Amino acid sequence: GDSVTQMEGPVTLSEEAFLTINCTYTATGYPSLFWYVQYPGEGLQLLLKATKADDKGSNKGFEATYRKETTSFHLEKGSVQVSDSAVYFCALRDNSGGGADGLTFGKGTHLIIQP
Amino acid sequence: EPEVTQTPSHQVTQMGQEVILRCVPISNHLYFYWYRQILGQKVEFLVSFYNNEISEKSEIFDDQFSVERPDGSNFTLKIRSTKLEDSAMYFCASSEAPGVQPQHFGDGTRLSIL
Repeated sequence: GDSVTQMEGPVTLSEEAFLTINCTYTATGYPSLFWYVQYPGEGLQLLLKATKADDKGSNKGFEATYRKETTSFHLEKGSVQVSDSAVYFCALRDNSGGGADGLTFGKGTHLIIQP
Repeated sequence: EPEVTQTPSHQVTQMGQEVILRCVPISNHLYFYWYRQILGQKVEFLVSFYNNEISEKSEIFDDQFSVERPDGSNFTLKIRSTKLEDSAMYFCASSEAPGVQPQHFGDGTRLSIL
């Protein structure tokens, strides 16, 4: 079945540091890939998405590139802020037609940014 | 910006009791979903719903669970006889279409079974 693997957290960085959160996936078809963010006490918010190989999703300074050859969708940001502290979830959605329409999530990576 | 709303934000129920979690999806969305997140674990898909019927469900969604769209705006998840292990955060989501369209999530209902 489909699966998503994320780097374990928590990840602690200083403000203005470069961020990478690794995400790799296995899927039977050609999935769409998503990053969701969960701020403390809130629900899941879509951060960015990519729907086919070599697509780059970007939003709020974050970006991730759909790499089919390495089955990866790593999240990056050049200069993080304290307000970026949250839990980040990588997720996929199977588009093969016969697959589940529900999202398959990674375990989440807790990011802590210190001033 | 339109959003998915869930009520209540926190539900405390005795084991064995029935509970109904409520969701109002985004108004022009046609596909609806329930997920759960047990504390410290990953978000897990429960069920998807389209055109007034279940389109997909996971192995978690057994006979004690049911979903319904009782009117034009609400989407509910019922747990018939709650167990301790049903304690979790339950998220509702909706999307315009399956596949490439993103799912938009509510803030969740924290269900605590005593």
